[in-house]
Amino acid sequence: EAQVTQNPRYLITVTGKKLTVTCSQNMNHEYMSWYRQDPGLGLRQIYYSMNVEVTDKGDVPEGYKVSRKEKRNFPLILESPSPNQTSLYFCASSSGGRPQPQHFGDGTRLSIL
Amino acid sequence: KQEVTQIPAALSVPEGENLVLNCSFTDSAIYNLQWFRQDPGKGLTSLLLIQSSQREQTSGRLNASLDKSSGRSTLYIAASQPGDSATYLCAVPLSGSARQLTFGSGTQLTVLP
Repeated sequence: EAQVTQNPRYLITVTGKKLTVTCSQNMNHEYMSWYRQDPGLGLRQIYYSMNVEVTDKGDVPEGYKVSRKEKRNFPLILESPSPNQTSLYFCASSSGGRPQPQHFGDGTRLSIL
Repeated sequence: KQEVTQIPAALSVPEGENLVLNCSFTDSAIYNLQWFRQDPGKGLTSLLLIQSSQREQTSGRLNASLDKSSGRSTLYIAASQPGDSATYLCAVPLSGSARQLTFGSGTQLTVLP
């Protein structure tokens, strides 16, 4: 089954404790991205990657890092999480070439205390 | 900067009604427009993607239209069912991009049995 898998689905942690949210897709997609969704602000893009070793900032990259060492994986790293990063996070992927529908994971709900 | 607006923010209809959801965007130089569905606690599911050269796309009871010159898209749902209850989001790529999406804030649809 074609899917985008995020882990963990839920996480409660404390300020300053480094965390990584993993994202993996099994569709051999070139393009992957991370979004955060907040009430009243909607979905905003954090980082995206056009292919392996190619990443770029989205609208709200501050406080986040990403890496794309393999085609299927695109982890989101919070080196020193802060309460304003409490949010619902989504990973998405799509194929290269002519734009195709983006496939989303089920989301990761992060609470930073 | 691309801005996407969806009206109404919420809509409640009785089962069986036909309904229209609206999406408007400020920069008409888009490659495509996508409609998504989001169920509570879930990620986004792509419903329809309209390329810039197309005027509409259909999938089952759903029909999406695109008028680039006026910066508008509509999602028409025929014979609505309680299972259609969800939040519907439209998204367009940022200017000059094919995949970096800017999302509207969504229309929360409730179909009453």
